[in-house]
Amino acid sequence: DAKTTQPTSMDCAEGRAANLPCNHSTISGNEYVYWYRQIHSQGPQYIIHGLKNNETNEMASLIITEDRKSSTLILPHATLRDTAVYYCIVRDGNNFNKFYFGSGTKLNVKP
Amino acid sequence: GAVVSQHPSWVICKSGTSVKIECRSLDFQATTMFWYRQFPKQSLMLMATSNEGSKATYEQGVEKDKFLINHASLTLSTLTVTSAHPEDSSFYICSARWALYNEQFFGPGTRLTVL
Repeated sequence: DAKTTQPTSMDCAEGRAANLPCNHSTISGNEYVYWYRQIHSQGPQYIIHGLKNNETNEMASLIITEDRKSSTLILPHATLRDTAVYYCIVRDGNNFNKFYFGSGTKLNVKP
Repeated sequence: GAVVSQHPSWVICKSGTSVKIECRSLDFQATTMFWYRQFPKQSLMLMATSNEGSKATYEQGVEKDKFLINHASLTLSTLTVTSAHPEDSSFYICSARWALYNEQFFGPGTRLTVL
């Protein structure tokens, strides 16, 4: 079962930062937080992941709270092509690293 | 790198027939592959975990005789939907775990429509 909760949808203006929150209050010490996104009718695309430290790559930044019960994905300069459903996933490290997807957040980037 | 392909990308079949979907890791070896199903406007639902050379592990509520999974090599897993019915129409997505980086990479999905 999914261990994460996310808002159903969010709007963001093109060129502005998009901040997508995720709650994972039951996360265990060895479980990673992953973010993927899915553009309509395509397979999910990997964005970023982290354990407890903040992470940054060419696509986004991941901010994880000190207690690890929540995190925020930041797209620094959203474009229209970033419109997608964003999934926050807690990886089950003890069971073949399975992913259980929650309902995700539909990010609408508007001009 | 880390490309996962699926074939076919879409398929239409008659009720009662069987359909095979292939999932390939093109540039890495995948000891574990996963199969998901996604209905319109819903999230991905994990169906089964497939390990090379052993039987697949199915999630609760997924019929193993209905959805046959074979993982014969480190780069290929197949999902066969047997005796398909209209309610099996869905978007089927596979992913492959690259042990070197312990990451999952997803295929582009297969749209199945059963008439």
